[in-house]
Amino acid sequence: QVQLQESGPGLVKPSETLSLTCTVSGDSITSYYWSWIRQAPGKGLEWIAYIFYSGSTNYNPSLKSRVTMSVDTSKNQFSLKLRSVTAADTAVYYCARVVQGSSWYLTWFDPWGQGTLVTVSS
Amino acid sequence: SSELTQDPAVSVALGQTVRITCQGDNLRTYYASWYQKKPGQAPILVIYGKNSRPSGIPDRFSGSYTVNTASLTITGAQAEDEADYYCNSRDSSGDHLIFGGGTKLTVL
Repeated sequence: QVQLQESGPGLVKPSETLSLTCTVSGDSITSYYWSWIRQAPGKGLEWIAYIFYSGSTNYNPSLKSRVTMSVDTSKNQFSLKLRSVTAADTAVYYCARVVQGSSWYLTWFDPWGQGTLVTVSS
Repeated sequence: SSELTQDPAVSVALGQTVRITCQGDNLRTYYASWYQKKPGQAPILVIYGKNSRPSGIPDRFSGSYTVNTASLTITGAQAEDEADYYCNSRDSSGDHLIFGGGTKLTVL
């Protein structure tokens, strides 16, 4: 059974860099795409980015200038860095496996990590 | 870019049927997936593709499509179905993933 676990600081100062890691167990990270999604308090889900084990990435255009995803196949982990954070980046951050169906036209997230709350505050 | 539009809130009487919709031009090309989100919990996939359910999801959950609208139907809603529901798909470029704004389902 695949399990994902987010880790990283729960508090980040404004203008600094938010760094999170997702550890995958029960599956090889080389088999799928992997993603970060967040939910700000009282808001909906927002897709941030996804990565393939080769390092190929795609970022949400609204965050692209501040986001970097990377993958460490030796540790079965992938990571997120979000630079120049503000209070608007306060959210629960989820990592998830991206499953591609039989065609490019079908994609879904499953499973998800439990999420980690990151608060941006001085 | 594209958008996925959902009604902010829907209610259903216990045991009745409710349909939650997700509208977007990109749904003419790309399938949607649906997620149930309860407070303090991670989202759970409930429907993907035309009408596929992951293992463990009750068969009262089903999906359907018309033109540019994807629908999630709960037949015989239960109290435990009360949650926020989000649709997700690729945007018109195909490179990015987007979520609808979410629908808060209240079971009366």
